[in-house]
Amino acid sequence: SAVISQKPSRDICQRGTSLTIQCQVDSQVTMMFWYRQQPGQSLTLIATANQGSEATYESGFVIDKFPISRPNLTFSTLTVSNMSPEDSSIYLCSGKDSTISTDTQYFGPGTRLTVL
Amino acid sequence: AQSVSQHNHHVILSEAASLELGCNYSYGGTVNLFWYVQYPGQHLQLLLKYFSGDPLVKGIKGFEAEFIKSKFSFNLRKPSVQWSDTAEYFCAVNGGRGSTLGRLYFGRGTQLTVWP
Repeated sequence: SAVISQKPSRDICQRGTSLTIQCQVDSQVTMMFWYRQQPGQSLTLIATANQGSEATYESGFVIDKFPISRPNLTFSTLTVSNMSPEDSSIYLCSGKDSTISTDTQYFGPGTRLTVL
Repeated sequence: AQSVSQHNHHVILSEAASLELGCNYSYGGTVNLFWYVQYPGQHLQLLLKYFSGDPLVKGIKGFEAEFIKSKFSFNLRKPSVQWSDTAEYFCAVNGGRGSTLGRLYFGRGTQLTVWP
């Protein structure tokens, strides 16, 4: 199994600023994902972080708002840009050992973001 | 796209009571089904998963779930809950027409509170 850590664990930010969230996996994983969990809502996939290339974004999410980097197989960052109160949410990173659909996806502890 | 419904948002039980949490998904093609649990202050972790074979799957901590294809359901059960089962439970589905490889579609989650 993979152990995933995220930094920061929480933050309070001002409107219009940006925050970069880091995700570190203790082993190499083939796939990494970023999810958002808004208050009272389910987890929603933002994007798949691809190593060495641009992330693949889900409908409703764009690179300008959520730029993602993945320089290697154990690390990724998500930036929440030009934040507004609607971006207040928990952001979760996850990793998966392979592209096989039945493989377990492991999750980080999440980053709780509050935008004032 | 796939959608996942969890009908109970908050369930309150006494210890030793039986538990059943409902989960339905929308797309009936080849899917893989998961239940994740998040204990207070901890990561999301896998409880159990189904991808083929016996539709009754057993997971950790005495949990089980039954896949009923005709009903598009994957309900979670436990015959006798404990106080330590207090947590949020998420049903998730992987697969379906047009879905992103490896993407999990989550339900909104069910908060289970067990009174000692």
